[in-house]
Amino acid sequence: DQQVKQNSPSLSVQEGRISILNCDYTNSMFDYFLWYKKYPAEGPTFLISISSIKDKNEDGRFTVFLNKSAKHLSLHIVPSQPGDSAVYFCAAQPGANSKLTFGKGITLSVRP
Amino acid sequence: DTAVSQTPKYLVTQMGNDKSIKCEQNLGHDTMYWYKQDSKKFLKIMFSYNNKELIINETVPNRFSPKSPDKAHLNLHINSLELGDSAVYFCASSGGDPAGNTIYFGEGSWLTVV
Repeated sequence: DQQVKQNSPSLSVQEGRISILNCDYTNSMFDYFLWYKKYPAEGPTFLISISSIKDKNEDGRFTVFLNKSAKHLSLHIVPSQPGDSAVYFCAAQPGANSKLTFGKGITLSVRP
Repeated sequence: DTAVSQTPKYLVTQMGNDKSIKCEQNLGHDTMYWYKQDSKKFLKIMFSYNNKELIINETVPNRFSPKSPDKAHLNLHINSLELGDSAVYFCASSGGDPAGNTIYFGEGSWLTVV
């Protein structure tokens, strides 16, 4: 029962171009969404988040868009850099300090 | 200065043994977690403690017993280890931001049961 789905296992983009990472969820109780980045042999690192009262949140090169009616969110990275190559996890929770449900992750490769 | 630190990072042990993974956070957070990343790469919550009290306990075998001596520590003890326990275990904490949402992870403990 995957409540958070990242259907594409991998994405490869050219340096300088846009990376778009997609995520879908099924649980309508989720009201807070986060993206984590993970390098090999390290723990997930918080990247950016969005509350369900917003549809967009931007932080530097990273923008997260939320479409509540479609239960869909996406992470845009512009411009993509080789250092962005990592596994990106989408996660969602129904409230503060509550259980975080993760997607399976997507491996992003940014080619120089 | 690591915010969430867990030890050991790598652990290889035989079936049937008992082992512990320790976790400490210096962020002043009230809530701590244990997550497990299995062979299929899913990250799933196991336990959550808030101020030393258990608040989330997912369907985890009772061979797994978390212990929180204070709100800065949450240790995971595993009895009678089985092959299927091989995974990466991540400790995490939250509570520092106003909404209390953002969860910060440790670097993980790679457990291999042989």
